[in-house]
Amino acid sequence: ILNVEQSPQSLHVQEGDSTNFTCSFPSSNFYALHWYRWETAKSPEALFVMTLNGDEKKKGRISATLNTKEGYSYLYIKGSQPEDSATYLCAFYGGSARQLTFGSGTQLTVLP
Amino acid sequence: ETGVTQTPRHLVMGMTNKKSLKCEQHLGHNAMYWYKQSAKKPLELMFVYNFKEQTENNSVPSRFSPECPNSSHLFLHLHTLQPEDSALYLCASSQELAGGPLRTDTQYFGPGTRLTVL
Repeated sequence: ILNVEQSPQSLHVQEGDSTNFTCSFPSSNFYALHWYRWETAKSPEALFVMTLNGDEKKKGRISATLNTKEGYSYLYIKGSQPEDSATYLCAFYGGSARQLTFGSGTQLTVLP
Repeated sequence: ETGVTQTPRHLVMGMTNKKSLKCEQHLGHNAMYWYKQSAKKPLELMFVYNFKEQTENNSVPSRFSPECPNSSHLFLHLHTLQPEDSALYLCASSQELAGGPLRTDTQYFGPGTRLTVL
């Protein structure tokens, strides 16, 4: 069973603050790491797919980094806005599995 | 809108009922998935269909029966469920190379069906 951990479990920040959270995954047999954003009552929305060690991806105010050797990825949000409030999921693809293994998510609340 | 729709959005059923969840994707993808999210647990993969053939069944009880009549539609037939089966059921699709493992293809999710079993 693959272990994908996300921290913190939940986070409250003020509008305008920058924030970051972590996804930890097995460092062996890595293939890909996915980040999703999931707003309440909506569909999870893909943010990034990262495959190379040292990869950095950016989409507007959101960016992510990847360290496959130590098995972690960071997601950063610069200047958080209330509309960034959502659960952020990471999912690991690796080993012999033919499926994504999801973390439990980080629930972000941005207070106006 | 992700291009993946699910109906119904909410379903309440008794343990002796038979019901079906429907998923439709308008993205031209060839792989479709059923996931389950129970309270305070990560998304768990249930079934994978690739080019209409079932390629993964994650030890799901037989009271859940998937059906994929074509690459755009996926059903989950439910019968004699238990209260612990109450959960959010999500459908997803992706473009997967024939015979190749899914590694980097983004999965596009529907909004889910919230199922309550009484």
